[in-house]
Amino acid sequence: GQQVMQIPQYQHVQEGEDFTTYCNSSTTLSNIQWYKQRPGGHPVFLIQLVKSGEVKKQKRLTFQFGEAKKNSSLHITATQTTDVGTYFCAGPDTNAGKSTFGDGTTLTVKP
Amino acid sequence: GAVVSQHPSRVICKSGTSVKIECRSLDFQATTMFWYRQFPKKSLMLMATSNEGSKATYEQGVEKDKFLINHASLTLSTLTVTSAHPEDSSFYICSARDVRGQGNEQFFGPGTRLTVL
Repeated sequence: GQQVMQIPQYQHVQEGEDFTTYCNSSTTLSNIQWYKQRPGGHPVFLIQLVKSGEVKKQKRLTFQFGEAKKNSSLHITATQTTDVGTYFCAGPDTNAGKSTFGDGTTLTVKP
Repeated sequence: GAVVSQHPSRVICKSGTSVKIECRSLDFQATTMFWYRQFPKKSLMLMATSNEGSKATYEQGVEKDKFLINHASLTLSTLTVTSAHPEDSSFYICSARDVRGQGNEQFFGPGTRLTVL
């Protein structure tokens, strides 16, 4: 079945440093979503990418969808303590009825 | 918009009892809802897809008779953990997809922490 992998599993940064998490799918995705889960909270939808090579920005967050639509990345510029949490990518499988989530990248930010 | 609620938020029960968890889309209609299980510091494991007016689709390895799902209306899906045992203790999260939405984004409920003694 479809597998979605994320690296790194954990990332510790100093406040102000940049952060990037990578998402790789074993199959081609029609689209990909990114979610953020704060400690003790539930996943919150951040963005969806659909087009090959698409790049979207949300303030300090930059999302990219690979040309082959099998990988994606999330980059945070100048991290802040409010960025802490686990970032998940998710993509629908071939029947597009359900999404497989990556294992997530947990970001901690040292003030 | 796109708010999903879950009830209860936390439940503690004795082994052998059944627990029902409700998932509601408050301001939109959802023909499809999803039930996930999340272990501490782990990803979301899809248990089943709940379809309004039809039977749920369970993922491989998930016991249908153990985890009963009912999607009675466009705004409500329920998950019943029957004859719960300590190994069923987990964080259960539902999500819903807006019927009007163009994409695959899901809106998650706040989750239910189940502890089986």
